[in-house]
Amino acid sequence: AQKVTQAQTEISVVEKEDVTLDCVYETRDTTYYLFWYKQPPSGELVFLIRRNSFDEQNEISGRYSWNFQKSTSSFNFTITASQVVDSAVYFCALSVLPLTGGGNKLTFGTGTQLKVEL
Amino acid sequence: GAVVSQHPSRVICKSGTSVKIECRSLDFQATTMFWYRQFPKQSLMLMATSNEGSKATYEQGVEKDKFLINHASLTLSTLTVTSAHPEDSSFYICSASRTGVAGDSYEQYFGPGTRLTVT
Repeated sequence: AQKVTQAQTEISVVEKEDVTLDCVYETRDTTYYLFWYKQPPSGELVFLIRRNSFDEQNEISGRYSWNFQKSTSSFNFTITASQVVDSAVYFCALSVLPLTGGGNKLTFGTGTQLKVEL
Repeated sequence: GAVVSQHPSRVICKSGTSVKIECRSLDFQATTMFWYRQFPKQSLMLMATSNEGSKATYEQGVEKDKFLINHASLTLSTLTVTSAHPEDSSFYICSASRTGVAGDSYEQYFGPGTRLTVT
């Protein structure tokens, strides 16, 4: 069984601060994908990144960066110079191929509510 | 590309009635679609996996007779909440996996969600 843990329920920062959202995952599969999604108050999930288990390179996209470490089963997400528009719930998720077919289920973490204040 | 729509975006229905939610992949074919439910301030919970032309696979604890899923074509899946009750009020989100695109088998494309309120 897969499990994703986001220990931080809520984080509050002041604008321009850097913030890191933690994600720890569990799986026995050697091939898997990790995702981060943003869910603003509107509710629609916004895809941020996908990373496969064989690619441990860190990635940077503008103010966003991701640190994938298989040794600690972590896939942390950092927002640099946070802005009010970054306020949202952020979900980390894990996907593996099912043995019996029928689609690649996503296992979501419980989410981290990020509040960026002026 | 890879756009998924849901209709309606919001629906209010009376207790005891049924309501249908549609999930469409607009610019791609989706062999597999997924239905999630999200209660306020909680995570997404997978309800069922819907495969085109076959019966849906429901997660443990999800009543298949209450949440009817039909995936009649490669671009449309529907979720019908039968005999809805106030406790069924929730945010329902669908997603779709693209068919036949190399390297895309792990990706799910999410719809904007449907907020159901049962009075």
